Amino acid sequence: DAMVIQNPRYQVTQFGKPVTLSCSQTLNHNVMYWYQQKSSQAPKLLFHYYDKDFNNEADTPDNFQSRRPNTSFCFLDIRSPGLGDAAMYLCATLAGTSGAEEQFFGPGTRLTVL
Amino acid sequence: TQLLEQSPQFLSIQEGENLTVYCNSSSVFSSLQWYRQEPGEGPVLLVTVVTGGEVKKLKRLTFQFGDARKDSSLHITAAQPGDTGLYLCAGAFYYNQGGKLIFGQGTELSVKP
Repeated sequence: DAMVIQNPRYQVTQFGKPVTLSCSQTLNHNVMYWYQQKSSQAPKLLFHYYDKDFNNEADTPDNFQSRRPNTSFCFLDIRSPGLGDAAMYLCATLAGTSGAEEQFFGPGTRLTVL
Repeated sequence: TQLLEQSPQFLSIQEGENLTVYCNSSSVFSSLQWYRQEPGEGPVLLVTVVTGGEVKKLKRLTFQFGDARKDSSLHITAAQPGDTGLYLCAGAFYYNQGGKLIFGQGTELSVKP
């Protein structure tokens, strides 16, 4: 029944060691989003894909990259993680462009940077 | 820059009390969504409001969208410990590239038995 799946749920990496977080969806939605969420804060949008079109937020650091090889999968690459990148990373999907449609969130990946 | 001000940020109450959370903006949204998030999990949608003045009820939760579609409120009647969690409002701006949600800062609710 899982609709938006994130792997792994917990990821530990070392300072400066590249890490990739994975998101997959069974909803066939054409929009996928990556958010960063720090403790007790609101999710912060990093970027999103509309089909294969990539849309970066202006304040997303260059250290964060994303790939979407097909409709179902989207990856978040952190090239050189710093201590400040420790956070929950949420993936979400959206079916279409109507303002009434909801984003479906995955359970998140909790990233720890040592 | 679109901003959504959510208040209060923290709320600690006793079981059985009522509470209201507010979200305000100077921007008009195509819809406004309320999410609840438990620790270590992703946000789960509670409700979407679309029409100005709309009121929706979900058991003890009442959601209202302002007439001008710039603000919203969430009222919980007779709060229970199971209501504890992070409540997020999010204004939706959708356009032909998928659009985005603008989140409020969140309200951390703690309901003590």
